[in-house]
Amino acid sequence: NAGVMQNPRHLVRRRGQEARLRCSPMKGHSHVYWYRQLPEEGLKFMVYLQKENIIDESGMPKERFSAEFPKEGPSILRIQQVVRGDSAAYFCASSPPLRETQYFGPGTRLLVL
Amino acid sequence: ELKVEQNPLFLSMQEGKNYTIYCNYSTTSDRLYWYRQDPGKSLESLFVLLSNGAVKQEGRLMASLDTKARLSTLHITAAVHDLSATYFCAVISNFGNEKLTFGTGTRLTIIP
Repeated sequence: NAGVMQNPRHLVRRRGQEARLRCSPMKGHSHVYWYRQLPEEGLKFMVYLQKENIIDESGMPKERFSAEFPKEGPSILRIQQVVRGDSAAYFCASSPPLRETQYFGPGTRLLVL
Repeated sequence: ELKVEQNPLFLSMQEGKNYTIYCNYSTTSDRLYWYRQDPGKSLESLFVLLSNGAVKQEGRLMASLDTKARLSTLHITAAVHDLSATYFCAVISNFGNEKLTFGTGTRLTIIP
C-alpha cells in the first residue's frame, strides 16, 4: 500500500507566479489535510477536505490560497501570486474514514525567489 | 484557541541516559499523537493515545496520556544516536474538526 504521495517535492517560483501542490492520499483514505511548516517551526493546520467538500478551512489565508479535492484525482493546494513569505514546506496528510492516525506525505518544499 | 506546548524545545542527551519530553495542551482532548521528524523529511507517526491513562511503548520510547492534567509525556530510555530527531506532539480537540494542533517540537540530539 503506497503511502501519501505529494508532488512536486521541490518547487521554485518567482514572486507573483502561481504554485500548485498535489497530494494523492493513501488508498482507501477519504480525508485529506494540508499543513504548512515554516523553517524551525511546528506544523500549522491549513485545510481539511473530503471528496468534493471543504470541511474546515479555518487555517487558510483569506486571499490567494485555495484547495480542492475533486471526485477524481489528487487534492490540489493552489497559491496565487506567491510572495516570499509563502516559502515553506507544505505537508499533506490523509486518514481513513474512521479518522484515526493522519499519515503524512513527504512534503513539497516551496521556495519563492 | 487550542494551544499545545512542549518542553524542552532543545535537548542534548548522552547515549545511555533517560529523559522525558512533556506536552501540555489547553483544551479538552482525549486524542493525542506523537510524531518524529528527521531534518528535511516528513513526519513519522510514533504513538496514538486515545484515552486517559493510555500508555504505549515501542523500543526505547514510551508515551503516556493524562487527559485530566492535559499532559502527555514521551519517555526515552537508554538513548541511542538513532533517536536524534525532532519530536512533535499534536492534539485533536474534542470540540472541533479533525485538525491536528501541533506543539513547537523538541529537537533531540543524542551525543555519543
